[in-house]
Amino acid sequence: EAQVTQNPRYLITVTGKKLTVTCSQNMNHEYMSWYRQDPGLGLRQIYYSMNVEVTDKGDVPEGYKVSRKEKRNFPLILESPSPNQTSLYFCASSRQGVTDTQYFGPGTRLTVL
Amino acid sequence: DQQVKQNSPSLSVQEGRISILNCDYTNSMFDYFLWYKKYPAEGPTFLISISSIKDKNEDGRFTVFLNKSAKHLSLHIVPSQPGDSAVYFCAASPATGANNLFFGTGTRLTVIP
Repeated sequence: EAQVTQNPRYLITVTGKKLTVTCSQNMNHEYMSWYRQDPGLGLRQIYYSMNVEVTDKGDVPEGYKVSRKEKRNFPLILESPSPNQTSLYFCASSRQGVTDTQYFGPGTRLTVL
Repeated sequence: DQQVKQNSPSLSVQEGRISILNCDYTNSMFDYFLWYKKYPAEGPTFLISISSIKDKNEDGRFTVFLNKSAKHLSLHIVPSQPGDSAVYFCAASPATGANNLFFGTGTRLTVIP
């Protein structure tokens, strides 16, 4: 089954404790992206990757890092989480770019205390 | 600054009637537009898209209209069904095959049986 998986689905952590949210897709997609969803703000793009070792900033990249060492995986790293990073995070993938159909993961709800 | 706006946070429609969801954008460089639907506890799913070279695109019960001069697009659902109850996000991209995507804040549609 074609899918995008994220782990963990729920995470409660404390300020400053490094964490990684994993994202994996099994569709051999070139493009992957991370978004955060916040009330009243919709979804906002954090980072994206056009292919292995090619990443770039989205609209709200501050406080986040990403890497793309393998085509299928695109982890999101918060080196020093802060409470304003409490949000619902979605990973997505597509063949090429955002104008191809993006397939979204189920989301990761992160709470930073 | 929100470049894509959905000014109606919610909309209720009777089953069988037409649902019209609206979206406005400010950036004249946007030339590809998409609608995504989101159910609770799931990631968004692609619904329909339109390029700026068109003013209408239709897919079954869903039609998207684009008015470039007004920087406005709308999604029409006819006839509305209870299963259409979800949050709808419009999104815009600077170009076909682009890497950045800007979402609106979403409109919660409730279709009343």
